[in-house]
Amino acid sequence: EDQVTQSPEALRLQEGESSSLNCSYTVSGLRGLFWYRQDPGKGPEFLFTLYSAGEEKEKERLKATLTKKESFLHITAPKPEDSATYLCAVQAAGGNAGGTSYGKLTFGQGTILTVHP
Amino acid sequence: NAGVTQTPKFQVLKTGQSMTLQCAQDMNHNSMYWYRQDPGMGLRLIYYSASEGTTDKGEVPNGYNVSRLNKREFSLRLESAAPSQTSVYFCASRQFGETQYFGPGTRLLVL
Repeated sequence: EDQVTQSPEALRLQEGESSSLNCSYTVSGLRGLFWYRQDPGKGPEFLFTLYSAGEEKEKERLKATLTKKESFLHITAPKPEDSATYLCAVQAAGGNAGGTSYGKLTFGQGTILTVHP
Repeated sequence: NAGVTQTPKFQVLKTGQSMTLQCAQDMNHNSMYWYRQDPGMGLRLIYYSASEGTTDKGEVPNGYNVSRLNKREFSLRLESAAPSQTSVYFCASRQFGETQYFGPGTRLLVL
């Protein structure tokens, strides 16, 4: 069974204080690892997809990295507007039926990030 | 493009009542999904539709039914609501091989 564990559950930072969020996973063959941002009362917003170990992607103050067992979301010099819940999800290889991949995602519980001015 | 839209935004039901949550996407995506999100549980897949005309169960399908009305629309029905179905429900859609995009959610309270 695919599993995703995110840590810490909550992280409080001062503005400008860089840190990292962790996503550990077990999956029977990784098709993709996804990072989403979720603001209170809103739906998850896509950030990154990583496909293979060693891959890195960046967007503004965020950088996502991937190994064979975990992914990190590095936040450099965060601002208060970076406060949100960050969700990690994995998609396992396979799941094809008649040539159609259904793209099932297994999510972690999320890390609540609060950045204080 | 509106992306993925969901109605209603918020609903209160009494135990035993029925209701249908509506979802529509304007991105011409083939696959659509229904999730529920509960505190401490993360997002869990209820049902999905890999393509128009097909639907399949996810992790937590009990108490729910779905209909893929056409390529754009995917509805979730609660036939007899229970307090355990109090949750936030998200619809998502995806093109083959690509990322899932989520709607804004429906907050459901069952008394």
